[in-house]
Amino acid sequence: DAGVTQSPTHLIKTRGQHVTLRCSPISGHKSVSWYQQVLGQGPQFIFQYYEKEERGRGNFPDRFSARQFPNYSSELNVNALLLGDSALYLCASSLGQGSTDTQYFGPGTRLTVL
Amino acid sequence: DAKTTQPNSMESNEEEPVHLPCNHSTISGTDYIHWYRQLPSQGPEYVIHGLTSNVNNRMASLAIAEDRKSSTLILHRATLRDAAVYYCIPIPWTGTASKLTFGTGTRLQVTL
Repeated sequence: DAGVTQSPTHLIKTRGQHVTLRCSPISGHKSVSWYQQVLGQGPQFIFQYYEKEERGRGNFPDRFSARQFPNYSSELNVNALLLGDSALYLCASSLGQGSTDTQYFGPGTRLTVL
Repeated sequence: DAKTTQPNSMESNEEEPVHLPCNHSTISGTDYIHWYRQLPSQGPEYVIHGLTSNVNNRMASLAIAEDRKSSTLILHRATLRDAAVYYCIPIPWTGTASKLTFGTGTRLQVTL
């Protein structure tokens, strides 16, 4: 079975631009979460979506937004890019069954902002 | 959320057991303890989780202290493929594992 897929793999943008990152969850998974991982640090939670509704938001500015589609795939949008947005963006999917749920992560999208 | 403390790095020889400690002294009585690892250039992957008693699966064992203020992830025979950053993450029983709070983790180096 296919795991979590993310596109694109790498992306280079300039400051002030907008970016859209995409994630396809494992078949049957209804929960998608997004994380930002800056070099040398652990991933930081950005958003969780479950059944197309936002269920959690981390400490990120309003420039970050996301949505989940009827097929449970998800997009992460970042507006007005800053140099500090350069990071690995990870998507994780799961069944969404509470505190014992297993998260399955994709390989990530490496975003570089120049 | 409970805070965790892990060594920044550890080293092991291949085919020897590795014990990765995690201190979570502020954990509540109903927090699950999850472990994830992140291999180089990959997303994190689930390793194991537990609540009170010791847990085993095909990847590792999890030993939880009786007072639950610490736990140890045990890799019984380390291989080069086990070189990764290991994170221990407490998750409240009433919470969701879809919002993981990663710390800095322990970078495990495995040598021949």
